[in-house]
Amino acid sequence: KAGVTQTPRYLIKTRGQQVTLSCSPISGHRSVSWYQQTPGQGLQFLFEYFSETQRNKGNFPGRFSGRQFSNSRSEMNVSTLELGDSALYLCASSLVDYRGSEQYFGPGTRLTVT
Amino acid sequence: QKEVEQNSGPLSVPEGAIASLNCTYSDRGSQSFFWYRQYSGKSPELIMFIYSNGDKEDGRFTAQLNKASQYVSLLIRDSQPSDSATYLCAGEGSQGNLIFGKGTKLSVKP
Repeated sequence: KAGVTQTPRYLIKTRGQQVTLSCSPISGHRSVSWYQQTPGQGLQFLFEYFSETQRNKGNFPGRFSGRQFSNSRSEMNVSTLELGDSALYLCASSLVDYRGSEQYFGPGTRLTVT
Repeated sequence: QKEVEQNSGPLSVPEGAIASLNCTYSDRGSQSFFWYRQYSGKSPELIMFIYSNGDKEDGRFTAQLNKASQYVSLLIRDSQPSDSATYLCAGEGSQGNLIFGKGTKLSVKP
């Protein structure tokens, strides 16, 4: 069974630009969550999508947005990039949600904002 | 603000010893807890989850949950150098998300 895939794996952007990251969950998984990981703040929850609907959202500004497609693939968009957005962005998939089922992480996208 | 707290370490143990990793959480409503292992430069991988008070064993790993004390722990028996990693504790958030601690770095010395 293929794992969670994320593209691209590495990205370098300039402040003020926007970026789109992609996540393909494990086949059959309908829940996709996005996290930001930085050395200082650790893993922080961005949002979760289930059946093309955002079901929950963390405490991030509106510059961070996402969507989920009918095949459960998800994209995350960050507009007007800031230096502080440099981080590892991880997505995780689970069957329904993490309760009663495990959440599996993808390899992440390393975003560097210069 | 719901929080999950972990000692950042590093925790250093000799090969073959028991490594004990601890975690406390602030939300008494949290019902389920997860331990993830993250090697440097890699993404987190789930080791165990626990929902009920008491112990849950899986191979060399034992998770312990004490809801009254709001305390979760992970014991690693017969620690190996390959266990050297950062261990992340996570508890359930309000709706379908996990709240992670900042992780404890474990170093197992040969």
